[in-house]
Amino acid sequence: EAGVVQSPRYKIIEKKQPVAFWCNPISGHNTLYWYLQNLGQGPELLIRYENEEAVDDSQLPKDRFSAERLKGVDSTLKIQPAELGDSAVYLCASSPNGLETQYFGPGTRLLVL
Amino acid sequence: GQNIDQPTEMTATEGAIVQINCTYQTSGFNGLFWYQQHAGEAPTFLSYNVLDGLEEKGRFSSFLSRSKGYSYLLLKELQMKDSASYLCAVEGGYQKVTFGTGTKLQVIP
Repeated sequence: EAGVVQSPRYKIIEKKQPVAFWCNPISGHNTLYWYLQNLGQGPELLIRYENEEAVDDSQLPKDRFSAERLKGVDSTLKIQPAELGDSAVYLCASSPNGLETQYFGPGTRLLVL
Repeated sequence: GQNIDQPTEMTATEGAIVQINCTYQTSGFNGLFWYQQHAGEAPTFLSYNVLDGLEEKGRFSSFLSRSKGYSYLLLKELQMKDSASYLCAVEGGYQKVTFGTGTKLQVIP
């Protein structure tokens, strides 16, 4: 069974530029999560989807961050414009129905210069 | 809100036993996860405790006391490959999972 796929794995951009991350969850998993992880810290939830509906986006900085999960499968997380403080690892995870273990993708490591 | 505390770093010797503690204060509680995360890699699931008591899975065991807001992860017969960060995560109300900052474990020969 294929795991959670994320791309790109690494991204270097200049501040004020836009950036987008893509996630393909495990087949059949209805719940999808986007996390931000800073070095030496635990993952922090940005947004959680149940199918195509965003059920928890309370910690998503909506002035610059946006996300979508069209058709309830793949998801895209966008930052526009990026700031220096956005440098972090962006993790995508999925679970069958939100009540079980989350399976994480390899993450996208973002560096904003 | 959720507040999760775990030690920042620990060091233990190969072949020994180490216990990583986690205390939490949460609004609502459904269960507690432990994840392992090697440097530069994604977290991987270790255990999920819902009820009080000890659950054993090979060299790893996890304990939960809901009344005390306390859990620990016990690693036996430590191996060098166990050097990693161990994340405690609490599932609270509305199925929201909150992660602690993680405990970086270094296993030395």
